[in-house]
Amino acid sequence: LAKTTQPISMDSYEGQEVNITCSHNNIATNDYITWYQQFPSQGPRFIIQGYKTKVTNEVASLFIPADRKSSTLSLPRVSLSDTAVYYCLVVRRGNTPLVFGKGTRLSVIA
Amino acid sequence: SAVISQKPSRDICQRGTSLTIQCQVDSQVTMMFWYRQQPGQSLTLIATANQGSEATYESGFVIDKFPISRPNLTFSTLTVSNMSPEDSSIYLCSGWTSGGDQETQYFGPGTRLLVL
Repeated sequence: LAKTTQPISMDSYEGQEVNITCSHNNIATNDYITWYQQFPSQGPRFIIQGYKTKVTNEVASLFIPADRKSSTLSLPRVSLSDTAVYYCLVVRRGNTPLVFGKGTRLSVIA
Repeated sequence: SAVISQKPSRDICQRGTSLTIQCQVDSQVTMMFWYRQQPGQSLTLIATANQGSEATYESGFVIDKFPISRPNLTFSTLTVSNMSPEDSSIYLCSGWTSGGDQETQYFGPGTRLLVL
């Protein structure tokens, strides 16, 4: 599976839009991108996934350029409760287990 | 979606003893997995729990230390055997569901283990 690279940490003020970019240069044709959020003392929670272009749900948007070598998770108007670790993962279809990298620790400041 | 629960949520154990963690899913999942997460670290896959057969372990994890059962599509157990302080960690159960074009892996809340 393609290795992912994302910033170790990010800081943001409340109300701002946060964009976390992940690179996955060796992504394969049948791989897709998924993002998880993890709060302290909780299991990871699925946020969003996509294959190409743009995907939006009630929590976030995911932007994937045509070459699919990177992706950007966009969190609109973050609040203190969005402080968490965000993981970008490349997933191969077929229910293979997720392989987690180090993730991005987002700290939202009042 | 799937809701995954784990028991116990936390425990403190003496070295040399064993602890069995239970994982229950509220719907059938195709695959179930066990992960470990050290404090401040990312998740590490321990094994894939296979229904009705032996689990598939990742490098560095062995059946004698982490025996796993999965008697049906919604339940699995992980035992941490002959524990040492190095086994202190959070253990997470997860499962895949497939719905339409989307496959999603869901996680339980974790079991926080402290070995003294």
